[in-house]
Amino acid sequence: DTEVTQTPKHLVMGMTNKKSLKCEQHMGHRAMYWYKQKAKKPPELMFVYSYEKLSINESVPSRFSPECPNSSLLNLHLHALQPEDSALYLCASSLSGGSIYEQYFGPGTRLTVT
Amino acid sequence: QQPVQSPQAVILREGEDAVINCSSSKALYSVHWYRQKHGEAPVFLMILLKGGEQKGHEKISASFNEKKQQSSLYLTASQLSYSGTYFCGTEKGNTPLVFGKGTRLSVIA
Repeated sequence: DTEVTQTPKHLVMGMTNKKSLKCEQHMGHRAMYWYKQKAKKPPELMFVYSYEKLSINESVPSRFSPECPNSSLLNLHLHALQPEDSALYLCASSLSGGSIYEQYFGPGTRLTVT
Repeated sequence: QQPVQSPQAVILREGEDAVINCSSSKALYSVHWYRQKHGEAPVFLMILLKGGEQKGHEKISASFNEKKQQSSLYLTASQLSYSGTYFCGTEKGNTPLVFGKGTRLSVIA
């Protein structure tokens, strides 16, 4: 199974809502990533978890809060988002952190903030 | 620092070849290549490491010139399925992957 799953596929939320994005993989990967992708732009790294510990936070606003409950699951909690946060949120995983491992991406959650 | 990709876009007829380039102003440890079709997730194509090691799909070929901090992806005998946006990602060794702006490839019949 070389699949990364993400739920929900689409999400519309108001600026005062709290919602969560979920990502799951069962490949035994120990590094997991959240990326944000705007239309016609490359993915931008937000967070990296390595062995269930947050290892990289790319200066992401605190209205985005990641969580890694176990080695297979990655959540992204959203609160008080702004319209400019509307984007495709991609989750990825790799065998371990570091440059020698390819990343497997999930299909993404398309988020619209109204 | 974001790598620079060229060309920004290219249109090919089936069977034609193309080269996509990726360059960085910083010394690199690895270059990754991914393809993203419209509305889909990026898919891994290849990793090229400093020292010459490569890992990726058999039908894809690429090069990595460490001295020039440049990588090229070679697409030969293109098929309709090759259409999509190609991203290179570079990193300097234990640093996050940074993707270039992408090269949009369209293959037409």
